[in-house]
Amino acid sequence: AQSVSQHNHHVILSEAASLELGCNYSYGGTVNLFWYVQYPGQHLQLLLKYFSGDPLVKGIKGFEAEFIKSKFSFNLRKPSVQWSDTAEYFCAVIGAVDSNYQLIWGAGTKLIIKP
Amino acid sequence: DAGVIQSPRHEVTEMGQEVTLRCKPISGHDYLFWYRQTMMRGLELLIYFNNNVPIDDSGMPEDRFSAKMPNASFSTLKIQPSEPRDSAVYFCASSRGQGGNQPQHFGDGTRLSIL
Repeated sequence: AQSVSQHNHHVILSEAASLELGCNYSYGGTVNLFWYVQYPGQHLQLLLKYFSGDPLVKGIKGFEAEFIKSKFSFNLRKPSVQWSDTAEYFCAVIGAVDSNYQLIWGAGTKLIIKP
Repeated sequence: DAGVIQSPRHEVTEMGQEVTLRCKPISGHDYLFWYRQTMMRGLELLIYFNNNVPIDDSGMPEDRFSAKMPNASFSTLKIQPSEPRDSAVYFCASSRGQGGNQPQHFGDGTRLSIL
């Protein structure tokens, strides 16, 4: 069965620290990958997505993610976090030719940035 | 452009009452999704529609839950009768196109509390 694993449920960092949130998936075929962010009390917003091409994807607010096919990973990174990055981050995966069109969601990682 | 619009933003009601949540997808989007988010279970897909037709309702927890999409610009999620364990944030999302190559756009959610 398809699944998405986000290794850390909670991450606490100080401002200006570097961030890497792990995301691993299990799926046998070609995938499309997404990172969504949910700020406190708000809805989910798309942070970045990977469909094909350059495996290093740049998103909004200085975030980037690297798709490593051999490792089934799509880790999210930011070189220097800010207090405003405090949010919950969700990784999601779908088969690129999946006729069911159902995103498989990770459990989310709550990121807290200490000012 | 207007995003996905959900109403109400907050609903507090007593158990046993009928609850109706509403969603207006982004114009031109042909997929509509209903999600439930709780602390315990995270983000769960309840049901999704394509061109107003329900495609997969396997995530609907019980017969007390029902969803309709009478036209391309409106969908409802109904709970009857409601129970305290239905308390959650319910999100509606929409997207355009087939397959997994289009991101989902989320509404602000309805925070439902069943007393």
